[in-house]
Amino acid sequence: DIQMTQSPSSLGATLGDRVTITCRASQTINNFLNWYQQKPGKAPKLLIYGASSLQSGVPSRFSGSGSGTDFTLTITSLLPEDFATYYCQQSYSNPLTFGGGTKVEFK
Amino acid sequence: QVQLVQSGAEVKKPGSSVKVSCKASGGAFSSFPISWVRQAPGQGLEWMGGITPIFATADYAQKFQGRVTITADESTRTAYMEVSSLRSEDTAVYYCAREVGATPHLVDWGQGTLVTVSS
Repeated sequence: DIQMTQSPSSLGATLGDRVTITCRASQTINNFLNWYQQKPGKAPKLLIYGASSLQSGVPSRFSGSGSGTDFTLTITSLLPEDFATYYCQQSYSNPLTFGGGTKVEFK
Repeated sequence: QVQLVQSGAEVKKPGSSVKVSCKASGGAFSSFPISWVRQAPGQGLEWMGGITPIFATADYAQKFQGRVTITADESTRTAYMEVSSLRSEDTAVYYCAREVGATPHLVDWGQGTLVTVSS
């Protein structure tokens, strides 16, 4: 199975901050990397697919980059609605696997 | 966009089984994989397995092989996930999600079904 390692597991931020979350795969996954946002009590929401493609309707302050084994999710200017937990997920091979999550909290 | 509506919360005894449904409305159903993902309380996301309804053959994470059965009914546009021999560690929210794309991604999600296993 491909292991996905996210860092940090949590971070404190304030409104307007630039936030960067990293995700590393245990083997190369090309660009088969997706990012999701999850708020308490809600289903995950797709933000980025194919490492860098913005899902329709997702604000442009979210962006993704990377290829191979190392990936990054960036939020350029944090808004109140961005406080949530973020997960990366590889779709290169089954079983699909998720990172452990990064909780973005108010500092 | 496809809407996925899951069945309601369940409370089960250890050793019993539970079957969760996921009904699709709008858009294509049969040719896109449906995945099942679970989330234990306070924990992360875990892929259990998936099925493409038109092929009717499920794929499972090794951890769930033999204890989880995923099926789909094209005529009712409904996917099902059954877990047998339930134990307390199976207490979780179970999500179905539809996968699309050349770089597959889970674009549509059900609202989640809480399954509580308790004696």
